[in-house]
Amino acid sequence: AQTVTQSQPEMSVQEAETVTLSCTYDTSESNYYLFWYKQPPSRQMILVIRQEAYKQQNATENRFSVNFQKAAKSFSLKISDSQLGDTAMYFCAFSRLLQAAGNKLTFGGGTRVLVKP
Amino acid sequence: EAQVTQNPRYLITVTGKKLTVTCSQNMNHEYMSWYRQDPGLGLRQIYYSMNVEVTDKGDVPEGYKVSRKEKRNFPLILESPSPNQTSLYFCASSLFPGRNTGELFFGEGSRLTVL
Repeated sequence: AQTVTQSQPEMSVQEAETVTLSCTYDTSESNYYLFWYKQPPSRQMILVIRQEAYKQQNATENRFSVNFQKAAKSFSLKISDSQLGDTAMYFCAFSRLLQAAGNKLTFGGGTRVLVKP
Repeated sequence: EAQVTQNPRYLITVTGKKLTVTCSQNMNHEYMSWYRQDPGLGLRQIYYSMNVEVTDKGDVPEGYKVSRKEKRNFPLILESPSPNQTSLYFCASSLFPGRNTGELFFGEGSRLTVL
């Protein structure tokens, strides 16, 4: 079974600065997807960024980028030029590439990020 | 607008009173699932459905039932709710595995409190 661990329950960052969220996972699979989802106070789950394990290049989406270390099973999220609207809970998630039993995501416990003005 | 719609968004009920949380998606997705979110535990899968009339248990199915009579709807049923089912519930959908990018599309969540 896969597990996902987020070791930082809470983090704070000053507006315009950079913050990095850590995520480690455990799997015996070689092909899989990794995701970061954002959950603002509205509770909506919003996909921030997606990484395919067979791609060595780290994914980026505007101010969000990841550092994917496959051998170390590490998938950190960097938020650059933090904005007040980035205040949210962030979840790291894992999904097997081909699943006989559907499209299940395994989530970490979450990291709450507070951006201070 | 492509979306997953859950109702109710908030519900307070008492132990043992049956309730249903509805979920509907307009994206013609084959795959639908339910998750519960608890502090420190992230989201955990309750049940999922690969298509109409095909459902199966996830990681935490005890105390829940589901049905999939139509492709767009996937209700979550709590026959006899207990306080340990107080949680935030999410419905999610996607194209059939193998035809998707792994991403799940989530509803807005339903906050359930069982007294």
